[in-house]
Amino acid sequence: AQSVTQPDIHITVSEGASLELRCNYSYGATPYLFWYVQSPGQGLQLLLKYFSGDTLVQGIKGFEAEFKRSQSSFNLRKPSVHWSDAAEYFCAGGTSGTYKYIFGTGTRLKVLA
Amino acid sequence: NAGVTQTPKFQVLKTGQSMTLQCAQDMNHEYMSWYRQDPGMGLRLIHYSVGAGITDQGEVPNGYNVSRSTTEDFPLRLLSAAPSQTSVYFCASSYPRGVEQFFGPGTRLTVL
Repeated sequence: AQSVTQPDIHITVSEGASLELRCNYSYGATPYLFWYVQSPGQGLQLLLKYFSGDTLVQGIKGFEAEFKRSQSSFNLRKPSVHWSDAAEYFCAGGTSGTYKYIFGTGTRLKVLA
Repeated sequence: NAGVTQTPKFQVLKTGQSMTLQCAQDMNHEYMSWYRQDPGMGLRLIHYSVGAGITDQGEVPNGYNVSRSTTEDFPLRLLSAAPSQTSVYFCASSYPRGVEQFFGPGTRLTVL
């Protein structure tokens, strides 16, 4: 069955430290992959997306993600975290020809001053 | 463009009541969907539509009805509300086939 897994429920980092949020997927074919961010009480905002081609994807707010087929992963990274990055992050997947998107359960990021 | 809009933002119902959550988009997107978000469970797909007159069930469709009479609107109906339907509901829209989805601000529903 298709799935998207975010192994970490909570992550805490200090402001200025680097960040990596994990996402693993299970699909028969290479999926389209997305990272969304949700601030408290808000909707979801797209950070970045991967469809094909270059496996290192740049997004908004200084985020990037790397698609690794061999590891079935699409981890989100940021070299230096800001306090305003505290939010919940969702990884999602979909495939060409289907309209069903699968979301991971989310990772809540806390940033220490 | 207003993007994806949802009304109401908050709603409290009593068990057994019915109501309709409204969703509209002005981007001429063919694909629209409804998700519910519950703590620790991420977003789960309730129903989706690939165009006017075409709808299909998602992962958790029970207790919900949808219809799509226009490209712009995709209302979600709760026929007889239950406490298990207490959740935050998000509507989303996109162009077809794997393109990113745009989300509305959500409706927080409490069923007593």
